Amino acid sequence: AQKVTQAQTEISVVEKEDVTLDCVYETRDTTYYLFWYKQPPSGELVFLIRRNSFDEQNEISGRYSWNFQKSTSSFNFTITASQVVDSAVYFCAPARGGNTPLVFGKGTRLSVIA
Amino acid sequence: GAGVSQTPSNKVTEKGKYVELRCDPISGHTALYWYRQSLGQGPEFLIYFQGTGAADDSGLPNDRFFAVRPEGSVSTLKIQRTERGDSAVYLCASSSDGETGNIQYFGAGTRLSVL
Repeated sequence: AQKVTQAQTEISVVEKEDVTLDCVYETRDTTYYLFWYKQPPSGELVFLIRRNSFDEQNEISGRYSWNFQKSTSSFNFTITASQVVDSAVYFCAPARGGNTPLVFGKGTRLSVIA
Repeated sequence: GAGVSQTPSNKVTEKGKYVELRCDPISGHTALYWYRQSLGQGPEFLIYFQGTGAADDSGLPNDRFFAVRPEGSVSTLKIQRTERGDSAVYLCASSSDGETGNIQYFGAGTRLSVL
């Protein structure tokens, strides 16, 4: 079974600061996917990024970047120059390949203060 | 439709009643998922469909919960003899088989309150 630990329950930053959200996962699968989702106060989960276990290349997409380290089972997510609209609960979630369920952690609540 | 649609957005019922929650996935998406989210927790998997059949129902908490997807599109989650512990937000998601397959797109959820 897969498992996710998001050790940071709540983070508060001042606008324009960079913030990194930590994620550690457990899986027995040799191939898998990792996701980050955002849940703003409106409640709807919004897909942010997906990574497969084959590719450890770290990437940047706009203000978002991620650091995937297979050796430590970590998939951290960074928001650069945070904005108030980034305030939300962020979930890291692994999944097996193909169309399979996501396994969510408890999430990290990010508050960006103006 | 453009996104995943869930109805009703809110449902208040009394303990012991039967409820149905509906999910209309993104057009053409073959996979459909149901999750349940309690306050302060991450979503918890219930069941998912690939086409019309339930591919995995291991997350259903007990036999009061049942879901169908008879034509491979709309799905209904059915809860019999509701209990106060069933109160939660029920989320539906869908995904396709294509290049962006296994990216799940979520609806806004149905907030179920059992009094």
